[in-house]
Amino acid sequence: GENVEQHPSTLSVQEGDSAVIKCTYSDSASNYFPWYKQELGKRPQLIIDIRSNVGEKKDQRIAVTLNKTAKHFSLHITETQPEDSAVYFCAAQAGTYKYIFGTGTRLKVLA
Amino acid sequence: SQTIHQWPATLVQPVGSPLSLECTVEGTSNPNLYWYRQAAGRGLQLLFYSVGIGQISSEVPQNLSASRPQDRQFILSSKKLLLSDSGFYLCAWSPGFNTEAFFGQGTRLTVV
Repeated sequence: GENVEQHPSTLSVQEGDSAVIKCTYSDSASNYFPWYKQELGKRPQLIIDIRSNVGEKKDQRIAVTLNKTAKHFSLHITETQPEDSAVYFCAAQAGTYKYIFGTGTRLKVLA
Repeated sequence: SQTIHQWPATLVQPVGSPLSLECTVEGTSNPNLYWYRQAAGRGLQLLFYSVGIGQISSEVPQNLSASRPQDRQFILSSKKLLLSDSGFYLCAWSPGFNTEAFFGQGTRLTVV
């Protein structure tokens, strides 16, 4: 079945440094790859997404890259700030309308 | 604008009791609807999804069931709760394919 693997499970960085979270997916029919941020006790909220016809997308300090051949996509956060501390989830959606999520990365930005 | 409502926010239920969680979406028609469960410190596990009234796809064999009696209403149920049913339940909707899913506020269920 479909599967999304996400690494690392926890990540600590110093404020101002960059953070990178990586995901791989198994379903080659996947075409949509969103990234969600979840603060403690809150609902996940979309921070950036990428579709299969694009290799890279950037929004201010956040960027996502996609390698469809390798079935791999990554989230890059530059100039991290304490408010970036949260759990981040990657996901992949294929033609079945299902969003399959990774297991999450707990990011801690140390001031 | 579209909004998603999910209730209750928290729930404490004894083992063996029934469960009914409700989710409704406003401001759109024919949404795709989803139920996810998040165990403490864990990822989002897809439980059920629906692309239309009365159409339910189950992802994980378990003690739960889902129904979609109306276009914008999605209900998660159980006849007899187990301790392992404890978790954070999230309802979500999306307008279609290749687009964002929007989550409800979640229900924290504790089975005691």
